[in-house]
Amino acid sequence: DTGVSQDPRHKITKRGQNVTFRCDPISEHNRLYWYRQTLGQGPEFLTYFQNEAQLEKSRLLSDRFSAERPKGSFSTLEIQRTEQGDSAMYLCASSSDLTFTDTQYFGPGTRLTVL
Amino acid sequence: AQTVTQSQPEMSVQEAETVTLSCTYDTSESDYYLFWYKQPPSRQMILVIRQEAYKQQNATENRFSVNFQKAAKSFSLKISDSQLGDAAMYFCAFRITSGTYKYIFGTGTRLKVLA
Repeated sequence: DTGVSQDPRHKITKRGQNVTFRCDPISEHNRLYWYRQTLGQGPEFLTYFQNEAQLEKSRLLSDRFSAERPKGSFSTLEIQRTEQGDSAMYLCASSSDLTFTDTQYFGPGTRLTVL
Repeated sequence: AQTVTQSQPEMSVQEAETVTLSCTYDTSESDYYLFWYKQPPSRQMILVIRQEAYKQQNATENRFSVNFQKAAKSFSLKISDSQLGDAAMYFCAFRITSGTYKYIFGTGTRLKVLA
């Protein structure tokens, strides 16, 4: 069990550019989540996958955001035409439906700075 | 709407002493899970303790215990024999058991441990 990993850990981009983040969940976990955390706030839910199916999306996930989990393993989160308001920590978490409480385990996050 | 409130932005505790972090939540659901996560500076969030709402017995994990008052919708975390390594942001979260897998987080409490 190597834990949830995310890449890159830090990303600095200019407004209007596209960025893509990757998340590798714990290997036996079939559920994967994306959250966004801004300074001084708790994480806010963005979206959730069960295997490769995206089953829930927050209203926070605007049309500029898209997430995929093509083979039910790793996931990518893409932000198009970035805005300064997108600057935040993007957290990925995973869980298994085989555990009773379905506890989510978090990765280290990708910190995005939009200039 | 479901919300989590952590009314203490920052708390301090002397090493080896006991501290209690407060959390209240609001939901109309009767079945849910509650969690406390710890986020050390620049490090990933880790699970501290979890509680199933249907259980009357308060959860404990070594030096960490909760006081779960379902009627009052209160879920406080008690840390006994505080250690320097306990210094971190602590987030309270909950998840209802049906219809969604997203966690709702509070805004966090920063815990400082004084030597």
